Amino acid sequence: KNEVEQSPQNLTAQEGEFITINCSYSVGISALHWLQQHPGGGIVSLFMLSSGKKKHGRLIATINIQEKHSSLHITASHPRDSAVYICAAGFGGNQFYFGTGTSLTVIP
Amino acid sequence: NAGVTQTPKFRILKIGQSMTLQCTQDMNHNYMYWYRQDPGMGLKLIYYSVGAGITDKGEVPNGYNVSRSTTEDFPLRLELAAPSQTSVYFCASSERQGYGYTFGSGTRLTVV
Repeated sequence: KNEVEQSPQNLTAQEGEFITINCSYSVGISALHWLQQHPGGGIVSLFMLSSGKKKHGRLIATINIQEKHSSLHITASHPRDSAVYICAAGFGGNQFYFGTGTSLTVIP
Repeated sequence: NAGVTQTPKFRILKIGQSMTLQCTQDMNHNYMYWYRQDPGMGLKLIYYSVGAGITDKGEVPNGYNVSRSTTEDFPLRLELAAPSQTSVYFCASSERQGYGYTFGSGTRLTVV
């Protein structure tokens, strides 16, 4: 069964803290996405990765294929990072399966 | 550059009514998708298209229909609306399979 699980469900951090959001999946994948959903509901694609690590500004995404696990890190967190972060895994074919999201609140 | 445009943003339907959610993209993407997002649940794929004239079912297609007559447009049709279809609907597109999604702003649909 193609399952994607995220942890934690909710996360509150102080401004400046280093944040880690985790995503694990049940079987081998072809690719994994990290998405950001703003409080207003809009969804933005952050990363797509199939191996290794990607970095964009203060965001870093890593994936460990053997352990079936990906992490999204935010360095020097800021209140504007408050959003829901969603991972989605592709198991081949045209479908991606989405986690339920991690709701992040960064307090000034 | 508008990206992916969805209309309407909000809609209330009565049980049994029908409606079409519109989705248009101006990036010449071949792949287009319709998802629904229910509270506490991950996005679920309803239908997708890999190009004009080609559509296929996703994970939760029952109660919906789609068409793809042009590269730009991918409307989602709800026939005989039911309360279980109350959800937020997102249209998305990508240049190739699973690569670089662009999402629309969503349609919040309530069926009463």
